[in-house]
Amino acid sequence: DQQVKQNSPSLSVQEGRISILNCDYTNSMFDYFLWYKKYPAEGPTFLISISSIKDKNEDGRFTVFLNKSAKHLSLHIVPSQPGDSAVYFCAASEVQGGSEKLVFGKGTKLTVNP
Amino acid sequence: GAGVSQTPSNKVTEKGKYVELRCDPISGHTALYWYRQSLGQGPEFLIYFQGTGAADDSGLPNDRFFAVRPEGSVSTLKIQRTERGDSAVYLCASSLSRNSPLHFGNGTRLTVT
Repeated sequence: DQQVKQNSPSLSVQEGRISILNCDYTNSMFDYFLWYKKYPAEGPTFLISISSIKDKNEDGRFTVFLNKSAKHLSLHIVPSQPGDSAVYFCAASEVQGGSEKLVFGKGTKLTVNP
Repeated sequence: GAGVSQTPSNKVTEKGKYVELRCDPISGHTALYWYRQSLGQGPEFLIYFQGTGAADDSGLPNDRFFAVRPEGSVSTLKIQRTERGDSAVYLCASSLSRNSPLHFGNGTRLTVT
């Protein structure tokens, strides 16, 4: 039973346009959410996070939105660049519950075309 | 500065053999994690160390898997009597403290033939 779901295995966008990556979760105890980016043959790299007390967090071209009632979060990349092409993982944890585990989705492969 | 280092980067072993995978975390990071990533899946939690002790080993799939961190720095993941289903990329991560973002190494790709 997947607690974190990324339903789009892949996404292709044009350079300069917006990329929107989506993530849904089922565990209402999750209170901290992160996005990681992964290039081939490398480990995941932390991108941006959001606590459940917020509904938006922005860092440069990256913005994460959280909709707790819908148990949905999204990552917006504006403008998209070819170097953003990678696999993006959504992850969640129960910080208040004392858990240190991150539960990951299966990832979405983003391709940004020049 | 140096990131999380994992050795070997690739390991091929025969079914039934014993393997050890090593992780050297970022200096000063007290928290250390092992994850496993199978093909087409996201990383899956195995075990978490805070200092020398395993604070949460609930993700270890069975008693063939064991991990140690004797001096609170380098960690070794040990797999006994390997099975073909153990084939995956084993990722190690460290963080400065609880609830800090994880810094991952490049992983060890284990292939059991």
